[in-house]
Amino acid sequence: NAGVTQTPKFRILKIGQSMTLQCTQDMNHNYMYWYRQDPGMGLKLIYYSVGAGITDKGEVPNGYNVSRSTTEDFPLRLELAAPSQTSVYFCASTPAGSYEQYFGPGTRLTVT
Amino acid sequence: KQEVTQIPAALSVPEGENLVLNCSFTDSAIYNLQWFRQDPGKGLTSLLLIQSSQREQTSGRLNASLDKSSGRSTLYIAASQPGDSATYLCAVDHTDKLIFGTGTRLQVFP
Repeated sequence: NAGVTQTPKFRILKIGQSMTLQCTQDMNHNYMYWYRQDPGMGLKLIYYSVGAGITDKGEVPNGYNVSRSTTEDFPLRLELAAPSQTSVYFCASTPAGSYEQYFGPGTRLTVT
Repeated sequence: KQEVTQIPAALSVPEGENLVLNCSFTDSAIYNLQWFRQDPGKGLTSLLLIQSSQREQTSGRLNASLDKSSGRSTLYIAASQPGDSATYLCAVDHTDKLIFGTGTRLQVFP
């Protein structure tokens, strides 16, 4: 198993541009999550999904959108990038009946 | 609102020392508490998960304890090694969402 994979690893965006951060897991996990981590801070939940077709907002959802059309994929969309969205983004997944989260390696995004 | 605090923010110790990392949370209504390790530029790796009904969990040189009533958890690392150098994050599972602390950055020097 590759586990949780994220692409791209790094990205620089100009203000107002859009992009999609990709997240894929091959463990057939039901639950998937998107977090952001600002420098020197803990992780904050952006959106999460309990299964295909179901998504819900986390603590800091403004400026982001998600979809979950398959069990494997959980892309995160930034529509109008702002400097405040400069951060490291982590995707994670959890199997049903478990509390343990498996994290991807992260995407480092800079908006200038 | 659940808040998670970790003390100290950074720690530098010589190899071989036993050390304790602290985590405190404001709302005792948690499902579980997890400790993670984060290496620079990498994702998080789960170290230990303590269910709300448990008092401690052990894995190798790591031991984590949980005192829900006082809102505290400690991660004990025995006989520290340079390879233990990383940031350690605790997170509480509160209403099915993880709330993270800001982490303790640990450096173990030879």
